[in-house]
This record gives sequence, structure tokens and C-alpha cells, in this order.
Amino acid sequence: AQSVAQPEDQVNVAEGNPLTVKCTYSVSGNPYLFWYVQYPNRGLQFLLKYITGDNLVKGSYGFEAEFNKSQTSFHLKKPSALVSDSALYFCAVSPGGPGKSTFGDGTTLTVKP
Amino acid sequence: GAGVSQSPRYKVAKRGQDVALRCDPISGHVSLFWYQQALGQGPEFLTYFQNEAQLDKSGLPSDRFFAERPEGSVSTLKIQRTQQEDSAVYLCASSLVSGRLYEQYFGPGTRLTVT
Repeated sequence: AQSVAQPEDQVNVAEGNPLTVKCTYSVSGNPYLFWYVQYPNRGLQFLLKYITGDNLVKGSYGFEAEFNKSQTSFHLKKPSALVSDSALYFCAVSPGGPGKSTFGDGTTLTVKP
Repeated sequence: GAGVSQSPRYKVAKRGQDVALRCDPISGHVSLFWYQQALGQGPEFLTYFQNEAQLDKSGLPSDRFFAERPEGSVSTLKIQRTQQEDSAVYLCASSLVSGRLYEQYFGPGTRLTVT
């Protein structure tokens, strides 16, 4: 069975500082990894994905993520955080056949001015 | 263009009532998914359609849950004889093509409260 772990319930950073939101996964076979963001009272929005190729993936709003196969991690990063980045972030893996994704429990990112 | 829409946005049901939750996916999207999201947790997979075919319903928690997508577009998730443990946000998502490679587009969800 596949699983996703987001070890931090909450991440706090100051505006302008770099941010990292951690994700580790467990899956058999090649992982297909995704990050989604959820703003209050809005649906989840796709940020970026890793399928194959370059381990550094760039996505929306200046976010990027680094796939590390040996550490089974897919951490979300941004060089300079904005207050508007404050939201709930979910990591997801999709290995188990068409469509079925497993999500982590989410990490609340708070960026303080 | 229009995104995924869900209705109602909020539903309060008395224990034992039946409810029906509607999802309108993005036009032309082949795949449609239902998830259940409990407070403080990530979405949990319920079921998946490719066009009108329900290819995976392994996540449906009991036979009280039923989903359909008869014409390959709009989908309805029905919960019979609701229980308090059914209280959650029900998310619908669609994607352009089938398979695990493609990102999903989510609706705003329906918050179901069973009293």
C-alpha cells in the first residue's frame, strides 16, 4: 500500500525568507508525485507534479519541488516567501493505477510580514 | 473557463436521512473523482469514473454510499441513511485524461453535517 507523510503540521516563516514544506512517500514502483494548495473556502489547486526526468520541478507561483528517490522525499520549496503563500499544502502520490491518489494530512504554512 | 462546481455547498441532514451531492466537472474532462475530507486530514479517495464507467469504488466506506455518472459528465454521490461519522467535506475533482499522470482540478466541496 502507498502512503504519504507530511511530518510538520505547521510551518512558520518570515516574509522574504526561503520556505520548505516536507513530504515523504512510500510506494511500490515509480512514484508520480503532486503538490496541491488549499486556500480558505476554496478547492484544492494544483501546484506542480513530478512524473519523470529532472528531479527539480518548477510549478505555479514560484514554487518548486525536489524529488529525491533515495530519501523517498518530494519537498516543496520557494526561495522567497510571500504573505499570500499562507495556506494549507497537500502532497499526493498516484501510483496505484488510474486516478487513485493518496494524500498527506497537509501542512499549514504561515508567512508573517 | 468554468471550473469544477459542486452543489449544495453546505448540507445539514438528520441522522437517517438520504442525501445527494452533485458535481459538475470541467467540460470535456474524462476522469472524475470523489474524495472525503475529514477535519484536519487530507482527502481520502472514494471512487473514480472514466467517462460513465466507474472503474474504482474501493474507497466507498459502506454500501450506504453510491456514486453515478450516467452520461459521462455530471456525477452524483448519494449517501443513504446518513450517520454522524459521514460528516465531512466531500470533494469532487476532474482531470482531462485518464491515468495517473495528470493533475486533478478540484471543486470547492460540499460540507455535510449529520445531526
